[in-house]
Amino acid sequence: DVKVTQSSRYLVKRTGEKVFLECVQDMDHENMFWYRQDPGLGLRLIYFSYDVKMKEKGDIPEGYSVSREKKERFSLILESASTNQTSMYLCASKLADSENTEAFFGQGTRLTVV
Amino acid sequence: GDSVTQMEGPVTLSEEAFLTINCTYTATGYPSLFWYVQYPGEGLQLLLKATKADDKGSNKGFEATYRKETTSFHLEKGSVQVSDSAVYFCALFSYSSASKIIFGSGTRLSIRP
Repeated sequence: DVKVTQSSRYLVKRTGEKVFLECVQDMDHENMFWYRQDPGLGLRLIYFSYDVKMKEKGDIPEGYSVSREKKERFSLILESASTNQTSMYLCASKLADSENTEAFFGQGTRLTVV
Repeated sequence: GDSVTQMEGPVTLSEEAFLTINCTYTATGYPSLFWYVQYPGEGLQLLLKATKADDKGSNKGFEATYRKETTSFHLEKGSVQVSDSAVYFCALFSYSSASKIIFGSGTRLSIRP
């Protein structure tokens, strides 16, 4: 059974803290993605990675960074958390070099910044 | 750039009603098209997909046909159930979108018993 696992379901952090959201996949996928989901705005791409140590900015990268040191793990980092980063964060992975295969999603991390 | 537009929600229907959720897309290449479903408190999971024009994806009684001439991929179900209550996302993927997956804004569906 394929799996994308996010380290936390719920997280509460204080303004200014450095926050790490971890995502691990067991499918040997090259592509990995971080989205945030907000009511009325759908899913917005923060960053994606198409291979180890490779990353590309998505549509809303400001205030975030990422790390991909190993193929199976893609970390999202909030350098200095702010209240406007309170959101649901979704990680996904996908096989590269194929338009036909779907992305697999983790269960999401609901982050609250107070 | 590539984009996906889907109908605004929320959509509320009675059990056994017919469902249509509209989705249209803009793409420079020949994208693959997907419908994802998100049940309360969970991540997204694939509902169905179609990879070329005139393909029909189907799953759990849901269907969608890839219409290149109208650039549409509308989701339909003949008789909805309470358990279909969820948020539905239309999405596309193509290399012309720089390998990003482009999502619509989502449509919340609520089914009354």
